[in-house]
Amino acid sequence: ILNVEQSPQSLHVQEGDSTNFTCSFPSSNFYALHWYRWETAKSPEALFVMTLNGDEKKKGRISATLNTKEGYSYLYIKGSQPEDSATYLCAFGGDDKIIFGKGTRLHILP
Amino acid sequence: GAGVSQSPSNKVTEKGKDVELRCDPISGHTALYWYRQSLGQGLEFLIYFQGNSAPDKSGLPSDRFSAERTGGSVSTLTIQRTQQEDSAVYLCASSSMGGTNEKLFFGSGTQLSVL
Repeated sequence: ILNVEQSPQSLHVQEGDSTNFTCSFPSSNFYALHWYRWETAKSPEALFVMTLNGDEKKKGRISATLNTKEGYSYLYIKGSQPEDSATYLCAFGGDDKIIFGKGTRLHILP
Repeated sequence: GAGVSQSPSNKVTEKGKDVELRCDPISGHTALYWYRQSLGQGLEFLIYFQGNSAPDKSGLPSDRFSAERTGGSVSTLTIQRTQQEDSAVYLCASSSMGGTNEKLFFGSGTQLSVL
């Protein structure tokens, strides 16, 4: 059974602070690691898809790193803003399907 | 279409009834995925299609669940004899070529409530 673990489950961060959270995944049959942002009442939206060990991706204040040998990825948010409040999902792309973790629910406190 | 379209957006049904959920992927996308999110749970993989064929049906929770895709486009997820534990948000997503290294484009989901 493929296991994609995300931690923490929930996180409260003061506006302006930086934060990060973790995704761990199987290191075998790895093709890609995805990050999505899911805001309330909206559809999940892709942030990054990473395929190579050591990959780093950045989009504005959000960045992600990938370690395929040890099976983890970090998502970083710099200078949190209220619009960053959402659930962040990571997903493991294996040889035939994409499996999601349970997500990290991020709350930005004003 | 411009995005992935799902219908209905909400469905309330009585236990024991059959329901059909529809997904219209982005035009030209060959891969289509169904997931569901039950209350307090993550996104659970149900099934995916490459073209019209479903190589992996292992995620379907029981034989009451079935899915089909015709013409490489629209897909329907059918749940027979619905049970209360089927209540969830059912999400559909599509990707261009179907490789697991491609990002998914999601629909808005169908909120299914079984009374």
